[in-house]
Amino acid sequence: LAKTTQPISMDSYEGQEVNITCSHNNIATNDYITWYQQFPSQGPRFIIQGYKTKVTNEVASLFIPADRKSSTLSLPRVSLSDTAVYYCLVGQTGANNLFFGTGTRLTVIP
Amino acid sequence: GAVVSQHPSRVICKSGTSVKIECRSLDFQATTMFWYRQFPKQSLMLMATSNEGSKATYEQGVEKDKFLINHASLTLSTLTVTSAHPEDSSFYICSARAGQGFYGYTFGSGTRLTVV
Repeated sequence: LAKTTQPISMDSYEGQEVNITCSHNNIATNDYITWYQQFPSQGPRFIIQGYKTKVTNEVASLFIPADRKSSTLSLPRVSLSDTAVYYCLVGQTGANNLFFGTGTRLTVIP
Repeated sequence: GAVVSQHPSRVICKSGTSVKIECRSLDFQATTMFWYRQFPKQSLMLMATSNEGSKATYEQGVEKDKFLINHASLTLSTLTVTSAHPEDSSFYICSARAGQGFYGYTFGSGTRLTVV
């Protein structure tokens, strides 16, 4: 799987939009980009997945530039409950396992 | 949606004893399950891939004799930490694929193991 680089941590105030960028310079043609969220003492939870351009669901948006060497997870109007670690993963959808990078620890401040 | 149940959620055991952790897919069949270990403030590290009806595949550096994995049915995989020591204290998480693609992975709620 392509190696990913994310900021170790981010702070944001409640109600703000948060953008977390992930670099994946060695992404392969067949690789997808997937983001997971993990709360303390819980397993990761799927947030969003994309291949190119923009993907939006009820939770977040994912922006992927044309060269696909990076991606940005956008969380609109964060709340305290969005405090968690966010992981960016890159790989083929048929991959048999998931390898997690360092993740970004987001802290939402009141 | 697909649900993976992991039990127990936390366990404390004495050094030298063995602990078994169960991972069940509740509403789907999983021919493959995965076991991860996570130390405080660190990322998830894949330990092994559990295959129904066959031997597990361990990642480099993971002792197969210490972390015994059994996947006897399509809905149950177990991880047994044998002769546990304090350094085995960690958060263990299992996952299974309920469908195709990354969004097909569902994770259990994890097991906090403390070896005293």
